[in-house]
Amino acid sequence: KNEVEQSPQNLTAQEGEFITINCSYSVGISALHWLQQHPGGGIVSLFMLSSGKKKHGRLIATINIQEKHSSLHITASHPRDSAVYICAVLREGGKLIFGQGTELSVKP
Amino acid sequence: GAGVSQTPSNKVTEKGKYVELRCDPISGHTALYWYRQSLGQGPEFLIYFQGTGAADDSGLPNDRFFAVRPEGSVSTLKIQRTERGDSAVYLCASSQRTSGAYNEQFFGPGTRLTVL
Repeated sequence: KNEVEQSPQNLTAQEGEFITINCSYSVGISALHWLQQHPGGGIVSLFMLSSGKKKHGRLIATINIQEKHSSLHITASHPRDSAVYICAVLREGGKLIFGQGTELSVKP
Repeated sequence: GAGVSQTPSNKVTEKGKYVELRCDPISGHTALYWYRQSLGQGPEFLIYFQGTGAADDSGLPNDRFFAVRPEGSVSTLKIQRTERGDSAVYLCASSQRTSGAYNEQFFGPGTRLTVL
């Protein structure tokens, strides 16, 4: 079993829909990253959080440390949001352990 | 300011050859990380430097892989006797490591290695 599990693995949405991507982990962590990766592109960090909730524009990330679970929400989704979203947990020592990613496609 | 840069962006080599992949971190970032991403998978940790020293190299798959950071800035990942299974995107990230705290990592664009 992977230490970091994401769901769903693939997601297709219509423009304007509210999207949720989930991440569960089974190890102790210092913090959790949500990352975005476009096809052929590099990885961009969207959030790093260790408790509660963060918001940036249409993106919201939450984490529940007791339940070892985090969610990434996208409100009013747009085709430009189409990308792979990756959850990664920060372990003691500084290394990231990544989920397998969620491929999101938003149709106009 | 400049982000993390990696060179080359693409590298095609033949099985058995030696390759070097370079990472230039963000200026002033003391922590540097190498990850490997195979097709359709999330990245996997390889090695982490704090300054010039490798603080954690537990992710290096075998002794064909080696990385250095002699002056605490640029790092080179070296792969000897390449195998087809080494084909992947090699990602570098850097962060400002302050005492007792782990800060956000910033990623480079990656080097796509193809071993024929």
